[in-house]
Amino acid sequence: GDSVTQMEGPVTLSEEAFLTINCTYTATGYPSLFWYVQYPGEGLQLLLKATKADDKGSNKGFEATYRKETTSFHLEKGSVQVSDSAVYFCALKDNQGGKLIFGQGTELSVKP
Amino acid sequence: GAGVSQSPSNKVTEKGKDVELRCDPISGHTALYWYRQSLGQGLEFLIYFQGNSAPDKSGLPSDRFSAERTGGSVSTLTIQRTQQEDSAVYLCASSLRGQPIAYEQYFGPGTRLTVT
Repeated sequence: GDSVTQMEGPVTLSEEAFLTINCTYTATGYPSLFWYVQYPGEGLQLLLKATKADDKGSNKGFEATYRKETTSFHLEKGSVQVSDSAVYFCALKDNQGGKLIFGQGTELSVKP
Repeated sequence: GAGVSQSPSNKVTEKGKDVELRCDPISGHTALYWYRQSLGQGLEFLIYFQGNSAPDKSGLPSDRFSAERTGGSVSTLTIQRTQQEDSAVYLCASSLRGQPIAYEQYFGPGTRLTVT
């Protein structure tokens, strides 16, 4: 079945460092890909999405590009802030049903 | 506008008891989803309702779990004869439609269930 694998955390960075969180997927067909973020004490929020190959999703300085050839959707940010500390989830949604399939989540901690 | 709301926010129950968790989706959203977030299993899909179609129950872990959606709006997730492994945060989400695939799912704050 479809699945999502993302790098394990926790990831600890200093403020203004470059961030990459790796995400790869296995799916039949052409899924849509998402990054969700869960800030401490808050609910899941959509961060960005891409619906077809080579699409780039972006929001709040974060970017991810849908790479069909490598089945990847890595999350990047050029300069992280303390306020980016959160758990990040990569997810896919197939084109048959409505459910999201999530990776295991990566905890990011940004130190001042 | 109002987001997805869930109640209760916390529930502690004894093993073997039944529990009901409630979800109020965003008004006008025809698709509703239940997920479970636990330490051991991460975020797992449980069940999906889309309009008047038969729900996708493929994620329900056992027949102790059931859900209904009344009037195309409010949904209740019921867990019968709770077990300790049911302890988790139960998340509800809604979207305008289940398809096309790009519609965003909006998540509620969750219900934290603890089975003692």
